[in-house]
Order: sequence, then structure tokens, then C-alpha cells
Amino acid sequence: EAQVTQNPRYLITVTGKKLTVTCSQNMNHEYMSWYRQDPGLGLRQIYYSMNVEVTDKGDVPEGYKVSRKEKRNFPLILESPSPNQTSLYFCASSYTGVRGTEAFFGQGTRLTVV
Amino acid sequence: GNSVTQMEGPVTLSEEAFLTINCTYTATGYPSLFWYVQYPGEGLQLLLKATKADDKGSNKGFEATYRKETTSFHLEKGSVQVSDSAVYFCALSGAGGGADGLTFGKGTHLIIQP
Repeated sequence: EAQVTQNPRYLITVTGKKLTVTCSQNMNHEYMSWYRQDPGLGLRQIYYSMNVEVTDKGDVPEGYKVSRKEKRNFPLILESPSPNQTSLYFCASSYTGVRGTEAFFGQGTRLTVV
Repeated sequence: GNSVTQMEGPVTLSEEAFLTINCTYTATGYPSLFWYVQYPGEGLQLLLKATKADDKGSNKGFEATYRKETTSFHLEKGSVQVSDSAVYFCALSGAGGGADGLTFGKGTHLIIQP
């Protein structure tokens, strides 16, 4: 089954304690990205990766890091989390074929920073 | 840059009512257009899409037509059900070809009452 898997689903942490949210896809997609979802703001792209070792900033990259050492994995790293990073995070992988672009989303990670 | 504007919610309807959720976009070139649905506690699922002007996407009784002249992609359903209660996101992917990120609207929370 084609899927994007994020872990953990829920996380409560304290300000300044480094954390990593993992994301893995089994569809051999080159493009992966991270979004955060906040009330009234919709989904905003944090970082994206067009292939292994190729990453770039999205619309709201401050306070986040990513890496893409393997095609299937795209972890999101918060080196020093702050309360304004409390949000719902989604990882996505996508491809563009003859029928256009299609993205597949993980189930989401609800992060609370206290 | 690209942007998507959709009607603010929540939208509350009675079961079997007709639904329209408006979506307009700004983009260069010829983007692909999407509607995603997010059921409570879940990730985003692709509901329907259209990749070129005048295309109609449809799924589960929902329809949307890609109108380039009005830069719109309004979502419609003739008779809604309680199970359609969810948050709906209009989105586009860039017109440059190749896989790239999605630009989302802020989401419309739909509530269907029995």
C-alpha cells in the first residue's frame, strides 16, 4: 500500500529540547515536503526536497531543519523548539506525471511545546 | 507568487442541501488545481483534481471545474450528507512543470447537520 508514515503522531515537549519528527514514503517519489497547519492560516510549506541531498526553504522555514540522506526519508528537526512551533505538522511526497501533480500526505504530527 | 483564496468557514448546512465552496487562485502559467479533504483527526486526502482549463474533477458526488477565465475552482455537491462534515482545502501546484509544492487556501470547515 502506498503511504507516507510520520512518527510520532502526538508529541509534547519543553522549550529548547531538540526533537525530530520522522517521515518515510514507500512510493519512490523524488519530491518530499513538510507543512504546518495552523487555525486560520491553512497549510504552509516549511521545507521541501527535490531529491536526495537537495533541500530548500519553503514559506516558513525559521526554526526548522531537514535532511534528505535517503530517498524514502525526510525528517524534520527542531533544534530548539519554542511555543510558537506548537502546530499540526504534515509530511507529503509527490510526483508529477502525465496526469499532473499528486501529493500524498502523512497522518500528521500534533506537536505541543510548553 | 501563487496564492489561493477560499471562502471562510464554518459553513453549516442541513443534510441534503446543495453545497458550494468558492475557490479562486492567482498563479503564473497553467497550474494544476486540487481539492483536499481533512476528516476530524486525520490527514489530508485528495478529493479531486483538474490539470487543465475546462477540466472537471469529480469524486464521491463532489465536482469542481477548472475555469481559467475566472481563475476559479469552486467545489459543489448536489446533496450533502452528515459524513461530509470535514475541512476542505483548495490548492494548486506550480505551473512550471515537474513536482513542486502545493499552495493551499486557508481551509473551509463544513458542518452538516442531520
